[in-house]
Amino acid sequence: GAGVSQSPRYKVAKRGQDVALRCDPISGHVSLFWYQQALGQGPEFLTYFQNEAQLDKSGLPSDRFFAERPEGSVSTLKIQRTQQEDSAVYLCASSSQGISGNTIYFGEGSWLTVV
Amino acid sequence: KQEVTQIPAALSVPEGENLVLNCSFTDSAIYNLQWFRQDPGKGLTSLLLIQSSQREQTSGRLNASLDKSSGRSTLYIAASQPGDSATYLCAVRGTTSGTYKYIFGTGTRLKVLA
Repeated sequence: GAGVSQSPRYKVAKRGQDVALRCDPISGHVSLFWYQQALGQGPEFLTYFQNEAQLDKSGLPSDRFFAERPEGSVSTLKIQRTQQEDSAVYLCASSSQGISGNTIYFGEGSWLTVV
Repeated sequence: KQEVTQIPAALSVPEGENLVLNCSFTDSAIYNLQWFRQDPGKGLTSLLLIQSSQREQTSGRLNASLDKSSGRSTLYIAASQPGDSATYLCAVRGTTSGTYKYIFGTGTRLKVLA
């Protein structure tokens, strides 16, 4: 597709439920990032993939958060046993290059509300 | 630990004004700095990317400068328009080995009044 696509756009989960958020990056993009954004705040880094390799997961807040990108394209962020503090927008971004840096393109986010 | 600060947090100006948004960062060891725009309920759109070896970048009415040694960047918007109303975020990517993240500021919410 033309841009980064995320699904679902909106998700309401009951506390304790598991959720899975999907990201389709721009075709051919090597780098993929996941960010968490709380209302009124800047995005906070969660994890980074270069192709299928998860090179940095230092931002994942707990072992309830898990991300994968098994074939180096589509990525899934999974949150187990959701809690109210997990309510946020989860943003995915991709870039055509690796560490040297290039313009990064964000999706519109998945809005998660935990009730 | 890299910290990014943006001042002011919010800004309201009449249409046609030139304005400057500020971004400061604590660690000058960066690969690059990007300025983004975020509209309500939307993702981020990259406006300008400045590599660490560059001093400024321009796109249309936007000009971004980078002074690595002082840990500062500014985004200059000329002849502001109501359509420029959005939140503007800056982000830096550090050079620390094993670090790949962009670290964001909390943004400047801009409102341009018609």
